[in-house]
Order: sequence, then C-alpha cells, then structure tokens
Amino acid sequence: SAVISQKPSRDICQRGTSLTIQCQVDSQVTMMFWYRQQPGQSLTLIATANQGSEATYESGFVIDKFPISRPNLTFSTLTVSNMSPEDSSIYLCSVATRATDTQYFGPGTRLTVL
Amino acid sequence: KQEVTQIPAALSVPEGENLVLNCSFTDSAIYNLQWFRQDPGKGLTSLLLIQSSQREQTSGRLNASLDKSSGRSTLYIAASQPGDSATYLCAVRAFVGPSQGGSEKLVFGKGMKLTVNP
Repeated sequence: SAVISQKPSRDICQRGTSLTIQCQVDSQVTMMFWYRQQPGQSLTLIATANQGSEATYESGFVIDKFPISRPNLTFSTLTVSNMSPEDSSIYLCSVATRATDTQYFGPGTRLTVL
Repeated sequence: KQEVTQIPAALSVPEGENLVLNCSFTDSAIYNLQWFRQDPGKGLTSLLLIQSSQREQTSGRLNASLDKSSGRSTLYIAASQPGDSATYLCAVRAFVGPSQGGSEKLVFGKGMKLTVNP
C-alpha cells in the first residue's frame, strides 16, 4: 500500500488569493491524480499529474485555474488560483502503481474561501 | 456513458445487523471495482478491490461481490458496529468516452451514508 500525506490539512483563504497544496507519497508511483469533493458531493477528477510534463486536465478544469506540478515520482502540488467561495471543497491527492491496482487517497485538504 | 449509482443514499441500523450495500454501473466494460470508506471531513480509505475477472473479495467482516454482466456489486458488512458508521463509496475503473474526457479513470458513485446505532 501507499502512504500519502497532504499539506495543509485545512485552510481558510480570502477571495482572489491562491493556495498551493502539497502531496507526498512514501513510494514511487506511476499514476498520480488530483480530485475535488464539493460539500455533499462525490469525487470529481481534476487532472492526472504527469512527471516531467504538463498535467492532463478533465473537462471543466483548466491549467490557469489549477496549475499542477510533478517534479518526481513521489511528489506533486496543486495550486488553486484566484479563489472564489465556489472553490470551497476538499481536495484529494490519489495514487496508483498500475491501472489494475488499488487506488489510494490522501487525507485531503479542506479549503474554505471567504 | 459510465454512471455509478448507490441506493439508498443513507441507512441507519442498530448495532449487530448484517448489512448489504448496493452499487450498480451502466457499462459492464470495467477494469475493476473498488469500495471505499470515508469518515466525515477525511480522505478515502480503500476497503476492497475486485478485478473484472473476479467474483468476490473478502477482508475481515467485509465481503464484496461483483456481477459484471448485470452491472452490480454488493458490499456485505457482517455484525455491524458503531465504528462502521461512515460514507461508503463505490467506484469503477473504466475507459470513458469523449463525453466524460475520453480516458481511463475511476468513476464514483455518490456514496451511501451509514449510521450504526449502539
């Protein structure tokens, strides 16, 4: 199994500012993902973080709003830019070694935008 | 379009009952199915993974079955305890078409909130 940590665990931010969330995995993983869970909703995939290249974004998510970095196989960051109250959500990092493997999730970052 | 449904959305039971949680999916062409548990305000904990070629998986008091042809999975919880109270999510890994991004991904249900009363 993979152990995933995220920083910060929670934050309260002002409208118009940006927040960078860090995800650290205890082992090298092939696949790394970022999800959003809005209040009372299920999980929505934001993007797949690709090592050394641009992330692959899902429909409805763009790089200018959610820039992602993945400098190596164990670390990634997600930035939520120019935040508005609609960005208030739990943001989750997730990893898998192969498509057929269990996908593991981090503890999440609870973001509140005022 | 691959869609995952979990009914009911919430369930409240007394301690000790054996429970069956249901999950259905619309397209049987899946790689695997995974059951997760989520405690309030927390991340997801993986409970069981069933590959498309498998029929069931067991872990302790949990047993998950998969009937790919009918697009159904069940999570069986034996002798429920108050500590089992959480939201349970079902997700299938499948290749989804252009309307859902045109790639392989996990598609989640909306979850079922379980409350086990002492």
